[in-house]
Amino acid sequence: RKEVEQDPGPFNVPEGATVAFNCTYSNSASQSFFWYRQDCRKEPKLLMSVYSSGNEDGRFTAQLNRASQYISLLIRDSKLSDSATYLCVVNDNFNKFYFGSGTKLNVKP
Amino acid sequence: GAVVSQHPSWVICKSGTSVKIECRSLDFQATTMFWYRQFPKQSLMLMATSNEGSKATYEQGVEKDKFLINHASLTLSTLTVTSAHPEDSSFYICSASAAGGIGQYFGPGTRLTVT
Repeated sequence: RKEVEQDPGPFNVPEGATVAFNCTYSNSASQSFFWYRQDCRKEPKLLMSVYSSGNEDGRFTAQLNRASQYISLLIRDSKLSDSATYLCVVNDNFNKFYFGSGTKLNVKP
Repeated sequence: GAVVSQHPSWVICKSGTSVKIECRSLDFQATTMFWYRQFPKQSLMLMATSNEGSKATYEQGVEKDKFLINHASLTLSTLTVTSAHPEDSSFYICSASAAGGIGQYFGPGTRLTVT
């Protein structure tokens, strides 16, 4: 079983739509959680950390459910520039980061 | 945010030669650096984790004698692909994290093509 699992998509949505991605992780002792964004042929860039209480940054909201071991990312009012692959990343106690395979988002005009 | 650089950004080499890739943290001290490889349309695959001043820890299936990692200072780690072959052609990305820091910051990647 993979450490981190994501729906690969692609999610094809129109501009202005709200879209949500989920990610599940297998290690209940995982400590830190993140969403990264990766554009084609570029390196991943940190989008936001995910806290137990949930956190919001503009149009992006991230939530963590430790009991069910999943993380979510909600994007409101999608923009064309949001088109990218979104990577779910989980950090364990030993400073090891596990990446999901990514969820591809295509925002269409 | 924290800045990590990689050099070179792309390299083409002949089969059998060795290639060295540098990863530098420019504005923070990176106690841990990670090396990843990404093939087209696939996810990042962790190759090894290196802590400054100690030997790198390699993931299962990654040959440590082929992919030499040196992390001699808190701002520099190098990956040397020895005796490169066409199947080593890939996008190599490093990342760095600081002690007590949150998350990791990625370099821009090095695209290696072995002919």
